[in-house]
Amino acid sequence: ELKVEQNPLFLSMQEGKNYTIYCNYSTTSDRLYWYRQDPGKSLESLFVLLSNGAVKQEGRLMASLDTKARLSTLHITAAVHDLSATYFCAVDREGDMRFGAGTRLTVKP
Amino acid sequence: DTEVTQTPKHLVMGMTNKKSLKCEQHMGHRAMYWYKQKAKKPPELMFVYSYEKLSINESVPSRFSPECPNSSLLNLHLHALQPEDSALYLCASSPTERVRGNTEAFFGQGTRLTVV
Repeated sequence: ELKVEQNPLFLSMQEGKNYTIYCNYSTTSDRLYWYRQDPGKSLESLFVLLSNGAVKQEGRLMASLDTKARLSTLHITAAVHDLSATYFCAVDREGDMRFGAGTRLTVKP
Repeated sequence: DTEVTQTPKHLVMGMTNKKSLKCEQHMGHRAMYWYKQKAKKPPELMFVYSYEKLSINESVPSRFSPECPNSSLLNLHLHALQPEDSALYLCASSPTERVRGNTEAFFGQGTRLTVV
């Protein structure tokens, strides 16, 4: 069974600091996604990663994938308040897409 | 067009009512999903349709009945729900193959369901 573990579950950061969110999964996968969710809203797609060593960056967020370790990371650089949200990783294996528990990120001034 | 459209946005229904949630996409995606999300929890997979056929049913109670009339539409029929079924219901779609340059899964805005 495909299982996805994400940590930390809660992250309180100061503006300007860097931090990393980790996503481990239990079996081989076809795609790995990172999503952002604001309170009361739906999921916003941030990144999709397909292959080992894939790295994608958008603004202050950078995602990477190590398929051998079954690990993805979401790195936040110089956090700003606007990044406060819940971040989910999701793993897709043959159309079965499962989510990690989510990381609730709060960026404080 | 990278939209997944869900209707209605909000729904309040009694435990004896029958209602339907609707989801539509025109991206040519052949995989469509229903998820249930409770507050401060991750989305939980309910159903997956692949090429209009039900491929995954996560042991969802029969009071939830999915339907995929064609490759663009996905419905979720609701009957005799319980208050604990109140949640945000999310629809998503994705390509079933590794289509070069476009492999994202997109989510609709969700239907916030309250069962009274």
